[in-house]
Formats: sequence, C-alpha cells, structure tokens
Amino acid sequence: SAVISQKPSRDICQRGTSLTIQCQVDSQVTMMFWYRQQPGQSLTLIATANQGSEATYESGFVIDKFPISRPNLTFSTLTVSNMSPEDSSIYLCSVGGGVWDTQYFGPGTRLTVL
Amino acid sequence: AQKVTQAQTEISVVEKEDVTLDCVYETRDTTYYLFWYKQPPSGELVFLIRRNSFDEQNEISGRYSWNFQKSTSSFNFTITASQVVDSAVYFCALICRGSSNTGKLIFGQGTTLQVKP
Repeated sequence: SAVISQKPSRDICQRGTSLTIQCQVDSQVTMMFWYRQQPGQSLTLIATANQGSEATYESGFVIDKFPISRPNLTFSTLTVSNMSPEDSSIYLCSVGGGVWDTQYFGPGTRLTVL
Repeated sequence: AQKVTQAQTEISVVEKEDVTLDCVYETRDTTYYLFWYKQPPSGELVFLIRRNSFDEQNEISGRYSWNFQKSTSSFNFTITASQVVDSAVYFCALICRGSSNTGKLIFGQGTTLQVKP
C-alpha cells in the first residue's frame, strides 16, 4: 500500500484563523478523500479531491469552509477556514485506486481551536 | 440509506480472552464492500480486512477472524487470545457510491477495546 504523510501532525489555532493541511502520497493514486473525526466520534467524509478540478463535497460541507486543492495525483490540501472551537477534530486523508477499492489513511492532523 | 451499527461502545477483557466485536449494516445495494479498521491511541487508521457482498466465506488471519452473514447483515470480528497491543478503537465500515459516484466509506461509531494485562 502507498505511504501517506500529512502535515502538520497537530496544531493549536485561534478562533477565526485558517489552517491548511497537506496530504502527500509516495505514488500516484486515483482517488483522494478527506475525512473529519470529531472528538470521541466516528469518521465522516468531507469531500473527494478530484485531480485538476473542483472537489466534490458531501452534504453538510461547503467549499467556502473547506476549500480543497489537488494539483496532481500525489498531493492534496484541505483548508479549514474561519475556524471555531467546533472545528476541533482529527482530519484524515485517504487514498484509493477506484470506487470499491480499499482506502488507506494518512496519520491524521489533530486540530485544536481555542 | 446506508448505515453501519456497532452496538458495543466499549469492551474490556483480560489478556488471553477471546473477544467478538459486532457489526450490523444496512444497504439497498446488491454490490457493496465491508471493512474493518483499527485505530490505536496514536490515531492512525489501520486497514484490517475487506470483504465483498458476494463472498460469505469466513476469513482467518492469525488471531483475527471475521464472520460475514448476509442473512443477518452482520460482519463480526473476533480476536482470539487477546493481547494488550490489541487495545484500540475498531471501526466497521461499508463502502457505497458517494456524491460523485466515488467510494464513500460509511463508518460505524466504533468499539473501544481495552485489553488488560
């Protein structure tokens, strides 16, 4: 499976600021996804990062709040904009080869908003 | 609607005991895939197994085994002779077609397993 890294691994941010999280894969992948895991909760898909085009967002998530870029087949960024304490979560990227393929996850970014 | 239910929030066992983690799923799709992931305290999500809807054979991998029963929509996970290193949160997940017709994992709420020495 691919080796996936995320930066930063953790951060503490002030309310109203923005944070960009990077996801880097050591090989080209077809699918890249971003998930959120709120404290003590399960994972929820935010969006599918599409290479060279706009991300596809799930219900409840909007581009203005979570802009996503995917400039190539090995890299994606997720920005959490205008943060509030409710955005405190672990953000994980995952990669897969196709619709039904296994998704492998990065180590996650642990975000705390004060 | 697709849904995954893990009714056991927390389980505590003593080392060397066997433990079964339950997973019940709902989907109207005839083609689907089920997964188990492990999330140790460090936070990363580790893939354990993938099973498609057409293959009901049980699977064993070392101390881990999985029992898939379509008749009861269940995909249970058993750890034999548990060890302290098995302590983690375990997630059962179902993959279905998301908004862009790409894979969307639907996760259960997770079961926290604590194995005491």
